[in-house]
Formats: sequence, C-alpha cells, structure tokens
Amino acid sequence: GAVVSQHPSWVICKSGTSVKIECRSLDFQATTMFWYRQFPKQSLMLMATSNEGSKATYEQGVEKDKFLINHASLTLSTLTVTSAHPEDSSFYICSASVGRGGNEQFFGPGTRLTVL
Amino acid sequence: LAKTTQPISMDSYEGQEVNITCSHNNIATNDYITWYQQFPSQGPRFIIQGYKTKVTNEVASLFIPADRKSSTLSLPRVSLSDTAVYYCLVPWGGSQGNLIFGKGTKLSVKP
Repeated sequence: GAVVSQHPSWVICKSGTSVKIECRSLDFQATTMFWYRQFPKQSLMLMATSNEGSKATYEQGVEKDKFLINHASLTLSTLTVTSAHPEDSSFYICSASVGRGGNEQFFGPGTRLTVL
Repeated sequence: LAKTTQPISMDSYEGQEVNITCSHNNIATNDYITWYQQFPSQGPRFIIQGYKTKVTNEVASLFIPADRKSSTLSLPRVSLSDTAVYYCLVPWGGSQGNLIFGKGTKLSVKP
C-alpha cells in the first residue's frame, strides 16, 4: 500500500515552454502533498507544501508564479513549471502524507525535467 | 536548515551489519524520527520510523536512546543492493509533515 505515482517520469522541453507534472496517491487519500527538487549529487530541497483545496505554501526562495501548484483532490497534485529555462532542469519529486501518527511521507518515483 | 547531522559517507562489505548514527539535538517532544533510502534517479523510499527505544521491521532496526538526541539505523547483513544514500529526518517548523533533507549518508557496499 501507500503508492505514489508521478507522470511523466521524464520530459524534455524547449526553453520558454511550460511543463506540468502530476503526482497521484494511488491507494490512499493524502491530506498533504509535498514537492521537492533535487539537483545532481545534492539532497532534496523542499519547494512547497500543499493541502487539498487550499493554496500551497512555498519555501523561501521558491517563486510561486513560476512553480504553480494545484491540489485539486485528495489524490492529485500538479506542479507546473512555467516558462521553463535550462536552470530549471532538475529531478522533481513529490510525496504524500497519510497523516497518521508521525510524519511518514511516501515519495513518488520522480520526474526528470530537461530544458533545452 | 537541516536539523540532523549524519556522516557523509560509509563503506562496508557484503554480509556485514551497518550502523548509521544521526544526531538531532533539537528534536521536539512530539517529533518522530524517520529514515529513508534513496537510489540514484529514484524517489526516497521509507525504511523505518520511531519515537523512542527500539523499532524493528523486516529491513532494519532503529535504536533511539532515552534522551532522543540521536538515533542509529542498523542494517543487518548488507548486500550490494543496499548501496544508496540514507537520510535521517525529523520534522521542522512545528509540523510533523515538514521534512527538511540534510545531505544524507552515502553507503557503499563492496563485495
């Protein structure tokens, strides 16, 4: 149980285009979903936290107008990278919290974004 | 800012027991300690979570002393496939859901 999927698993786009990444909790309802970014050989960096039906909370330094997060339901959150540039190329990972007991999060497999 | 400190890297050989210790001096009363494993180009995978004393599951054990300022992940009889980065995490900012990843420990298992 507690499976999180992401789509697409990888995407290549031209500079200036927008890319949407989907994150789904397949077998549970997630009260909270998180978006992380990971550059090569670095750790995960939390970008934003989103709760279903409310606006996402962005971490300091993350542009909310560039990284649009929509959490439309308890099983789906989307991250849209608007007007992507090469420096946005990274590994984007989402996670979902089941919210029971402690702080257990289940992570998706990640999406590799390459902006040309 | 990560609230945990763990060794940057560790080396081991197949069949050995590996213990990775993490310090979290500022852990709050309600905080759980969670460990994740990450392979290259994959999302982190939950290994184990605990609050105090000892927790054991089918893949690892987690030892937490009484003061809870540190924890030790124990991997019994590691194999080559256990080569990965291991992250120790405690919540941040008062919310159990906020996890700030530190650099993790890169475990290399050799034949």
